[in-house]
Amino acid sequence: NAGVMQNPRHLVRRRGQEARLRCSPMKGHSHVYWYRQLPEEGLKFMVYLQKENIIDESGMPKERFSAEFPKEGPSILRIQQVVRGDSAAYFCASSPALLAGGTEQYFGPGTRLTVT
Amino acid sequence: AQTVTQSQPEMSVQEAETVTLSCTYDTSESDYYLFWYKQPPSRQMILVIRQEAYKQQNATENRFSVNFQKAAKSFSLKISDSQLGDAAMYFCAYRSLNNAGNMLTFGGGTRLMVKP
Repeated sequence: NAGVMQNPRHLVRRRGQEARLRCSPMKGHSHVYWYRQLPEEGLKFMVYLQKENIIDESGMPKERFSAEFPKEGPSILRIQQVVRGDSAAYFCASSPALLAGGTEQYFGPGTRLTVT
Repeated sequence: AQTVTQSQPEMSVQEAETVTLSCTYDTSESDYYLFWYKQPPSRQMILVIRQEAYKQQNATENRFSVNFQKAAKSFSLKISDSQLGDAAMYFCAYRSLNNAGNMLTFGGGTRLMVKP
């Protein structure tokens, strides 16, 4: 059973370009979470999605950032007009449908975005 | 909002010795989960151990154990018989059971160095 897959692993963009980060959850998982890790810091929650629905985007910057999780295909985190402050590692995690007892989130290897 | 604090930016331990990493958190909730994640240089987030707040018994996974003090809102990680492969960043994380977001709130991390 393949784990959570993210691609690309490394992405370099010039200021003003768009960045698209992809996440394929583990097989059978319908919940996806995106986190951002700035250098020397812990992970910060960005957004929580289920298939075709954004459940919680309280951690997403109000502008330039968007996320989707379509019925078919991977979840996409999109950053428009990137700036140097967007340089970070972006992690995706997935979990199966929530049960009363709760379940762990399984993390992908992350995408390191560098804005030049 | 919940917060998680790791007061030790760096710790070091001699191989085969025992080390304890500290974590405190702030919440008004009574039901929640706590986690310790390990992040080696590969950046992959690896779940080390989890604790349900309603369980009084401290969780244990092989050489890893926790000291969960609910009243004090403390959740420390003890690593026994430290190995060179334990060297990594360690993150404490909190997850509420009471909101739809279900996101993890992470501490700032502790870098553990293991001396041969």
